[in-house]
Amino acid sequence: EAQVTQNPRYLITVTGKKLTVTCSQNMNHEYMSWYRQDPGLGLRQIYYSMNVEVTDKGDVPEGYKVSRKEKRNFPLILESPSPNQTSLYFCASRTGQNTGELFFGEGSRLTVL
Amino acid sequence: DQQVKQNSPSLSVQEGRISILNCDYTNSMFDYFLWYKKYPAEGPTFLISISSIKDKNEDGRFTVFLNKSAKHLSLHIVPSQPGDSAVYFCAASFYTPLVFGKGTRLSVIA
Repeated sequence: EAQVTQNPRYLITVTGKKLTVTCSQNMNHEYMSWYRQDPGLGLRQIYYSMNVEVTDKGDVPEGYKVSRKEKRNFPLILESPSPNQTSLYFCASRTGQNTGELFFGEGSRLTVL
Repeated sequence: DQQVKQNSPSLSVQEGRISILNCDYTNSMFDYFLWYKKYPAEGPTFLISISSIKDKNEDGRFTVFLNKSAKHLSLHIVPSQPGDSAVYFCAASFYTPLVFGKGTRLSVIA
């Protein structure tokens, strides 16, 4: 089954404790991206990757890091989480074509205390 | 600057009637538009798309209309069903990552 898998789905952590949210896709997609969803703000892009070893900042990259060492994986790293990073995070992927459908994971709800 | 705007945060419609969700954009270079649907506790799922070379695209109960001169697109759902109750996101792109609107919460009342 074609899917984008994120882990963990739910996480409560404390300020400053490094965490990683993993994302894996099994569709051989070139493009992968991370979004956060906040009430009243919709979906905002954090980082995206057009292919292996190629990453770019989205609209709200501050406080986040990503890496794309393999085509299927695109982890989101919070080196020193802060309460304003409490949010619902979505990973997504699509083919390299601009008109390709974007497939989303089920989301990771992160709470930073 | 918000490039894709969904000015109605919520919409309520009676079952069986038409639901019309609106979206405006500011970047005239956008050439591809999509609608996504999101249920609680799930990721957004693709619903329907339209290229800028068209002004209408239909898929079953869902039709998207594009008015390039007005920089406006709309999603029509006919007839609306209770299972259509969700948040709908409009998105646009031009050789760039998708830019999403803030979403409209549709409630279809039985």
